[in-house]
Amino acid sequence: DAKTTQPPSMDCAEGRAANLPCNHSTISGNEYVYWYRQIHSQGPQYIIHGLKNNETNEMASLIITEDRKSSTLILPHATLRDTAVYYCIVGGSNYKLTFGKGTLLTVNP
Amino acid sequence: GAVVSQHPSWVICKSGTSVKIECRSLDFQATTMFWYRQFPKQSLMLMATSNEGSKATYEQGVEKDKFLINHASLTLSTLTVTSAHPEDSSFYICSALRTSGTGELFFGEGSRLTVL
Repeated sequence: DAKTTQPPSMDCAEGRAANLPCNHSTISGNEYVYWYRQIHSQGPQYIIHGLKNNETNEMASLIITEDRKSSTLILPHATLRDTAVYYCIVGGSNYKLTFGKGTLLTVNP
Repeated sequence: GAVVSQHPSWVICKSGTSVKIECRSLDFQATTMFWYRQFPKQSLMLMATSNEGSKATYEQGVEKDKFLINHASLTLSTLTVTSAHPEDSSFYICSALRTSGTGELFFGEGSRLTVL
């Protein structure tokens, strides 16, 4: 699986948009970009995934660059409960996801 | 959304004993489940892929005789830590692949094992 690079930590004010970047310059053509988050001592929670096009669901939006070498997860209105470690993962059809260190997002009041 | 349940959520055992952790997909069938291990302040590490009706595939460095995986039905996979030792203390997490719909992976809430 392709390796991803994320900043180790980010801060965001409550109510503002949180934009979490991810670099995946070695992504293959058939690999998806997945985003999960993990709140302390819980299992990872699926957020969103995409292949080429931008995606949006009730939780977040995923913006993938045209060359697919990077992406941004957007939480439009961050709340305190969004404080978590966010993992950007690139994976193929076998769904064997390799977790990196992720980004610790801290939402401040 | 789909739910994956793990049991027990936490367990304490004596060194040398075996511990079984269950992973169930509650409202969908999962031919494939994955087992991860997570040490404090570290990321999840994939241990093995569990396939219903066949032998599990283990990642490099994971002892298959120590971490026994059984996936006997489309909704249940079990991980047995045999002859557990303190260094096996960790957070064990499973995920289940919903093969219908969009093929999303759903994770359980994890099982915290403490070996005394």
